[in-house]
Amino acid sequence: DTAVSQTPKYLVTQMGNDKSIKCEQNLGHDTMYWYKQDSKKFLKIMFSYNNKELIINETVPNRFSPKSPDKAHLNLHINSLELGDSAVYFCASSLGRRSYEQYFGPGTRLTVT
Amino acid sequence: AQSVTQPDIHITVSEGASLELRCNYSYGATPYLFWYVQSPGQGLQLLLKYFSGDTLVQGIKGFEAEFKRSQSSFNLRKPSVHWSDAAEYFCAVGPGADMRFGAGTRLTVKP
Repeated sequence: DTAVSQTPKYLVTQMGNDKSIKCEQNLGHDTMYWYKQDSKKFLKIMFSYNNKELIINETVPNRFSPKSPDKAHLNLHINSLELGDSAVYFCASSLGRRSYEQYFGPGTRLTVT
Repeated sequence: AQSVTQPDIHITVSEGASLELRCNYSYGATPYLFWYVQSPGQGLQLLLKYFSGDTLVQGIKGFEAEFKRSQSSFNLRKPSVHWSDAAEYFCAVGPGADMRFGAGTRLTVKP
């Protein structure tokens, strides 16, 4: 019974394409996040939503657009993909924006060729 | 702003040896501290967490960590490392949306 799930697990695409990554959590959490992990394993917060409201929007190119249709889902759409977008993208959730730990999905490995 | 420093990028230990991974944090209020582990090709799994109370916290897989406020540290320890502990370890500070991660320490276990 997966707590935080992401689809797809792998995504290979060409430069200039548009792609989406989907995330769903069944934990009843209010807050969800997107992280980017680069090749050196560094984790960078990109976005966070609390009850469908954007609360964190770090310095990320506006080609990246998160969308939260409801508090159990947070999708990430990327326009005009570039080579530098190649990374592992993790979705996470927490009970609330001030609540303790985050629970992570398995990650989506995006490769842009 | 909160931040986390993991001074060791890569550590190699022999199987059966003890392990200590270092973590130093900067946080304006009472810190909420976490250790996560990432096995190859996997997501992050919470090992343990500290919010208050006993400064020595026990986690899963035989790990423990000690919070030392005077040193702004939250080091992770394990008395005897198993080959399956080889992974990337991340220290994090701050609850919820304030959470920030260190750069990670890669653990290699020698047979």
